[in-house]
This record gives sequence, structure tokens and C-alpha cells, in this order.
Amino acid sequence: RKEVEQDPGPFNVPEGATVAFNCTYSNSASQSFFWYRQDCRKEPKLLMSVYSSGNEDGRFTAQLNRASQYISLLIRDSKLSDSATYLCVVKLYNQGGKLIFGQGTELSVKP
Amino acid sequence: GAVVSQHPSWVICKSGTSVKIECRSLDFQATTMFWYRQFPKQSLMLMATSNEGSKATYEQGVEKDKFLINHASLTLSTLTVTSAHPEDSSFYICSARGGPSSAGGQYFGPGTRLTVT
Repeated sequence: RKEVEQDPGPFNVPEGATVAFNCTYSNSASQSFFWYRQDCRKEPKLLMSVYSSGNEDGRFTAQLNRASQYISLLIRDSKLSDSATYLCVVKLYNQGGKLIFGQGTELSVKP
Repeated sequence: GAVVSQHPSWVICKSGTSVKIECRSLDFQATTMFWYRQFPKQSLMLMATSNEGSKATYEQGVEKDKFLINHASLTLSTLTVTSAHPEDSSFYICSARGGPSSAGGQYFGPGTRLTVT
């Protein structure tokens, strides 16, 4: 079983749509959680951290459920510029702060 | 914000040759640097973690004699792919930790695309 698993994708949605990504992690020692965005042939860039209380940054909302070991990302009113691969990432403090990446879910927003 | 550079951004080499990739933290001191590899349509996989002045710690399945990592200073780490083969063709990304607090203070370089012919 992969340590971090994401929806397979790709997600093809029209502009303005709301899209949700899901992620599960297997290591209960995981301490911090993030969503990264990766554009084609580029490095990953931090989108937002994820907290149990839920957090929002503009059109993006992230949620963590520690009991279910589940992380989500919701994108509202999607834009063409949101097209990218979204990576779910967990940080393992008991392993020197190693970041474990999910495979990523590709999003394509069409006009 | 903290900036990490990598050089070269892309490289093509012949099978059997060695390639060195540099990773630099430009405006902060990186006590720890991480090297990742990403094959097409796959996740970033951690290859090794290096702390300045000490030997790198390699992940299971990564050959330390093939992927030589040197972290000689707080701003520079190098990855040398020795005797490269076509299956080593991949996107290599470094990450440095030690800057301002964000994502655990870990910042990614722009990556190096290696093609071995």
C-alpha cells in the first residue's frame, strides 16, 4: 500500500466548476500535511498547509481528518490557470521531517 | 522568500558517463538538503537526505555508489549520477531546509531533467 494515495484523475472540468481532490495516508505518525501544485516540467510549489480545523485561502479549502487519515482539497470557481497536478504531501517528524508525496492528481480546466 | 537554484536545468549525456547536478540555496543556509527523483506521471521519490558536513542517508533501493551526494557547505549540495544508463533518465529535484518557516521551511529547486542516450 502506498503511504499517500490520491484520486487517480485526470479531472477535466469547465471554467467555474467546483472540484474536490481526496487523499489518504497510511502512516499514523504523519504530523503535518500539505497540498502542493506542480506544473508540467516544473518543481512542486506549496499551495497550502492543511489543518484539522480546516483552512481556506481564497477559492481553495483544505481539510484534514486525522481519525480517518484523510485529506481533501476543494477548488471553487476554477480558472484556466488552475490546470496543474495537485500533490498531497505528508511530513514525518519521526523520520527527520521527510516529505512523502502522493502520485498527484491532474486537473485540466477547459474554457 | 527563500530561493533554491539547480544547475544544469537539463542535460543529455551518453550512457556510461557521469553527470553532476548542483543545488544551491541562494539566500539562506541549508542545514539539510534532500534529493528527489520523479519519473513521468509518477510521484516525487526521495532518494537521499544530506546534512552539511556528514554523509548522506539514502532511501531503501537507492544505490549510494551510483548516486554520489556531497553537501560540503551550507549552501551547496551536489548529486553525481555515475555511469549513467537510460533508465536513470528522470527529473531530479533538490530541496533545501533551513529558511523561514513555510512548509516546514523546505524549498524546492527548479529541477534538472536528465536524459541518458
